[in-house]
Amino acid sequence: DIQMTQSPSSLSASVGDRVTITCRASQSISTFLNWYQQKPGYAPKLLLYATSTLQTGVPSRFSGSGSGTDFTLTISSLKPEDFATYYCQQSYSTPFTFGPGTKVDFK
Amino acid sequence: QVQLQESGPGLVKPSETLSLTCTISGDSFSVYSWSSYYWSWIRQPPGKGLEWIGYIYYSGSTKYNPSLQSRVTISVDTSENQFSLKLSSVTAADTAFYYCAARTMVRGVPGDWFDPWGQGTLVTVSS
Repeated sequence: DIQMTQSPSSLSASVGDRVTITCRASQSISTFLNWYQQKPGYAPKLLLYATSTLQTGVPSRFSGSGSGTDFTLTISSLKPEDFATYYCQQSYSTPFTFGPGTKVDFK
Repeated sequence: QVQLQESGPGLVKPSETLSLTCTISGDSFSVYSWSSYYWSWIRQPPGKGLEWIGYIYYSGSTKYNPSLQSRVTISVDTSENQFSLKLSSVTAADTAFYYCAARTMVRGVPGDWFDPWGQGTLVTVSS
């Protein structure tokens, strides 16, 4: 199985901050990497797929980059609605696996 | 837009079989939409991370997570616009929110992704 790790596991930030979350795969997954946002009591929501493609309706302050084993999700200017947990997920091979999540909360 | 909704018992006894159904709806969903997705189940223990359980294609072909393969069956009923999950011999470790999701692919784009998701349903395993 491909293991996914994320760092940090949590971070505290303020509205307007630039936030960067890192995701690492245990082996190369090319650009087969997706990002999801989950708020308490809700299902995960797709933010970006294939590393850097923004899902329809997702604000452009979200961006993604990387390839191989190292990937980043960046929120350019944090908004109040962005406080949530973020998960990366590899679709390179089954079993599909998710990172453990990064919780973004108020500083 | 395709919409998904999970249904099924919220409480299952240890050693019994968990059974959930995902109903697919949406103005744009038609018989032609079945082949556009792989229909998936994903679970999340309360306060923990996400685990992919498996998927089914409308043709009936399946792929399961090896960690659950011996206990999982996913089936599809295109006439009812539903697909289902059965997980046998459950224990407290199977207590989780269970989500159905559409594994989506786009020609020319590498990989695939889960979108949309159902709202999720909590299944508790307890006597």
